Amino acid sequence: EAGVTQFPSHSVIEKGQTVTLRCDPISGHDNLYWYRRVMGKEIKFLLHFVKESKQDESGMPNNRFLAERTGGTYSTLKVQPAELEDSGVYFCASSPPGLAEAFFGQGTRLTVV
Amino acid sequence: AQTVTQSQPEMSVQEAETVTLSCTYDTSESDYYLFWYKQPPSRQMILVIRQEAYKQQNATENRFSVNFQKAAKSFSLKISDSQLGDAAMYFCAYRMDSSYKLIFGSGTRLLVRP
Repeated sequence: EAGVTQFPSHSVIEKGQTVTLRCDPISGHDNLYWYRRVMGKEIKFLLHFVKESKQDESGMPNNRFLAERTGGTYSTLKVQPAELEDSGVYFCASSPPGLAEAFFGQGTRLTVV
Repeated sequence: AQTVTQSQPEMSVQEAETVTLSCTYDTSESDYYLFWYKQPPSRQMILVIRQEAYKQQNATENRFSVNFQKAAKSFSLKISDSQLGDAAMYFCAYRMDSSYKLIFGSGTRLLVRP
């Protein structure tokens, strides 16, 4: 069974540009989450989808971040325009209904220069 | 607000020996879950062990075990017979029963000396 897959694994962009991160969850997992780790600090929650609906987006830092989950399958996280402080590792995770733990992808390392 | 604290930024252990990673948390909830996740270099984060707060018995998974002290809000991870493959970042995480959101500690980097 394929795990959670994230694309790209690394991205380097200039300040002011747009970047789109993609996450393919494990098949059948209704729950999809985005987290990020900035500057070696704690991993912070960004948002939670249940199928195509945003269940909790309390962790989204500002309106430069837009997350979508079309048809309840894969998800994208767009940062527009990117700022220097957006640099970090963005993790996606998924879980089936009723399971306590989440399964994580390998992360996308975003560097804004 | 719930918080998770890992006070050891880095730990080192000799291969085949035992090491304990510390984690404390703060919550006013009575029902919650605690996790230890492991992230090897350049690889995905995987679940090591899970503990439900209502269970008094400490969780164990092969060489990995926890010391869960609910009153003290402490959740340490013991790795026995350490192996080179155990070298990784270890994250302690908390989740309320009523929410799917994970709250992470800052992580502990474990080095294993051959």
